[in-house]
Amino acid sequence: GAVVSQHPSWVICKSGTSVKIECRSLDFQATTMFWYRQFPKQSLMLMATSNEGSKATYEQGVEKDKFLINHASLTLSTLTVTSAHPEDSSFYICSASEYPDLYSNQPQHFGDGTRLSIL
Amino acid sequence: GQNIDQPTEMTATEGAIVQINCTYQTSGFNGLFWYQQHAGEAPTFLSYNVLDGLEEKGRFSSFLSRSKGYSYLLLKELQMKDSASYLCAVRPSNTGTASKLTFGTGTRLQVTL
Repeated sequence: GAVVSQHPSWVICKSGTSVKIECRSLDFQATTMFWYRQFPKQSLMLMATSNEGSKATYEQGVEKDKFLINHASLTLSTLTVTSAHPEDSSFYICSASEYPDLYSNQPQHFGDGTRLSIL
Repeated sequence: GQNIDQPTEMTATEGAIVQINCTYQTSGFNGLFWYQQHAGEAPTFLSYNVLDGLEEKGRFSSFLSRSKGYSYLLLKELQMKDSASYLCAVRPSNTGTASKLTFGTGTRLQVTL
């Protein structure tokens, strides 16, 4: 089945550091990937839609200069949290769908998530 | 706008049946997904509904009524391992991005002995 790999799974770093998170589709090509953020005991909040070969589409309220997204190939999207601060500490999850057609019954497959802690 | 509501928490006994409801008001509709998420882990896909009616998959079933903007997830023969959050997600039709999902707040289910 479709597998999405996310790396790293856990990051602890100092305030002001930039952190890169990778999301890979292992056995399928993903022209579209999604990046979510989840705070404790809350649901998934979509941050942005990552499009291969073009600019990402950010949700309202998400700073595109803060959260840089690059989707350079059909199997890899990266999210870079620039100059991270404690309030950026969260669980970041990516997802991808093998068949992103609007009428597809194929679900999004999620990576294992990255727990980011900024000290 | 998009609005998806679920109960925040539920408790049920091992072996019992539990129904988790989800109501939605979205800009168009093109499918509803249910996901299970254990604490600290990524969500895993449970079910998909796009037409009215019941979809059964083992111990889990999901129902949809598009006219009412309503869905439920039914879990039978509850096991301790079913303790998790259950997320309802709707795919609106006017997103501009085909498979973009809007997630509900999630329901934390606690299964007790």
